[in-house]
Amino acid sequence: EPEVTQTPSHQVTQMGQEVILRCVPISNHLYFYWYRQILGQKVEFLVSFYNNEISEKSEIFDDQFSVERPDGSNFTLKIRSTKLEDSAMYFCASSLERLDAQYFGPGTRLTVL
Amino acid sequence: GIQVEQSPPDLILQEGANSTLRCNFSDSVNNLQWFHQNPWGQLINLFYIPSGTKQNGRLSATTVATERYSLLYISSSQTTDSGVYFCAVVGKYGNKLVFGAGTILRVKS
Repeated sequence: EPEVTQTPSHQVTQMGQEVILRCVPISNHLYFYWYRQILGQKVEFLVSFYNNEISEKSEIFDDQFSVERPDGSNFTLKIRSTKLEDSAMYFCASSLERLDAQYFGPGTRLTVL
Repeated sequence: GIQVEQSPPDLILQEGANSTLRCNFSDSVNNLQWFHQNPWGQLINLFYIPSGTKQNGRLSATTVATERYSLLYISSSQTTDSGVYFCAVVGKYGNKLVFGAGTILRVKS
């Protein structure tokens, strides 16, 4: 069964550094998403992406965040200058159509020191 | 925005017992999904169920969209069922999933 993959599984970085989290969505899916989960809290939406542009973003997704689909398979989330409060599990998801089931990757655990 | 409430927040079961988890939402939904978060943090899709009833092995789910709730049934629970169960919905507008706070399930042997 096709699945969403994410790399790395765990990233440790110093405050103020840039990080890029990578995702390979399911190959025929058209809609892509990033969510995050701070330890012990609920999963929160960050951004959705369709047709090479952001279709929706949350208040969390400020100017420090950006997304890109650099080629036909990868989908990336960049955090320009990490803060301590960015420490969280970041999940990538994809869906075939806008209201179809969203399939989640295994997550990248980001630790900012 | 749409609100999602899950109950109970915590549940402890003896292996072999049955359970029902509930998800209430505050407005019409276009998508509803149930997930199991395992001890490694992975979100496993259980059901995509904006309405109706589905079954998958020992798990089944029912969504009554007109009354704004969904139920997840776990029968003959096993220790591997332990983890956090999340309900998530997409409201009338947009396509973002809004998650509930989850139900923490512990199954004891």
